[in-house]
Amino acid sequence: GAGVSQSPRYKVAKRGQDVALRCDPISGHVSLFWYQQALGQGPEFLTYFQNEAQLDKSGLPSDRFFAERPEGSVSTLKIQRTQQEDSAVYLCASSNRDRGFLETQYFGPGTRLLVL
Amino acid sequence: AQSVTQLGSHVSVSEGALVLLRCNYSSSVPPYLFWYVQYPNQGLQLLLKYTSAATLVKGINGFEAEFKKSETSFHLTKPSAHMSDAAEYFCAVGPFGNEKLTFGTGTRLTIIP
Repeated sequence: GAGVSQSPRYKVAKRGQDVALRCDPISGHVSLFWYQQALGQGPEFLTYFQNEAQLDKSGLPSDRFFAERPEGSVSTLKIQRTQQEDSAVYLCASSNRDRGFLETQYFGPGTRLLVL
Repeated sequence: AQSVTQLGSHVSVSEGALVLLRCNYSSSVPPYLFWYVQYPNQGLQLLLKYTSAATLVKGINGFEAEFKKSETSFHLTKPSAHMSDAAEYFCAVGPFGNEKLTFGTGTRLTIIP
């Protein structure tokens, strides 16, 4: 079946602009994760949903970052008043946690955000 | 708290030679450990995972890793490198599976023809 998809793949924003990044998880996957990957670094956890509930948002770097998953499927990561340090690749992953604790996270291709 | 250290941000090996990518972890609870591979402009793909069953874990594309609790290590190996193995490799640790993975900074593997 189809994997995790993300859109747009590339986004250029002017500093101060708001952006919205979309993630379509694998159909039926209960859990959804957002990670931020700065250039030359490993992914860093941002937030986690189980169905529509946001269970962990401890990784969101500031209150300019907001994520939602209103119907327990598609998720949107919104960044308000973007700043240059927000430039990174934003990765989405999903897993079918309903079947236990050991399920693999499947990653999308990421959205590369460049803030000028 | 958990953390992962990947020794060597860049590793080069000749085609056909042994690949060894190092990963050491720190975890206050029994860890679950993962190796992911990332090709340019693509997302991460799982190579293998350790979930407290067998300490030697076999993954895709001929890779394997051995969990050594005494050394807090989970090094990735492949007996014979192929050109197609050139990519970025990430080691990650999770508490009880997948709620919140903590990744290392990655190792870029270059294969020399």
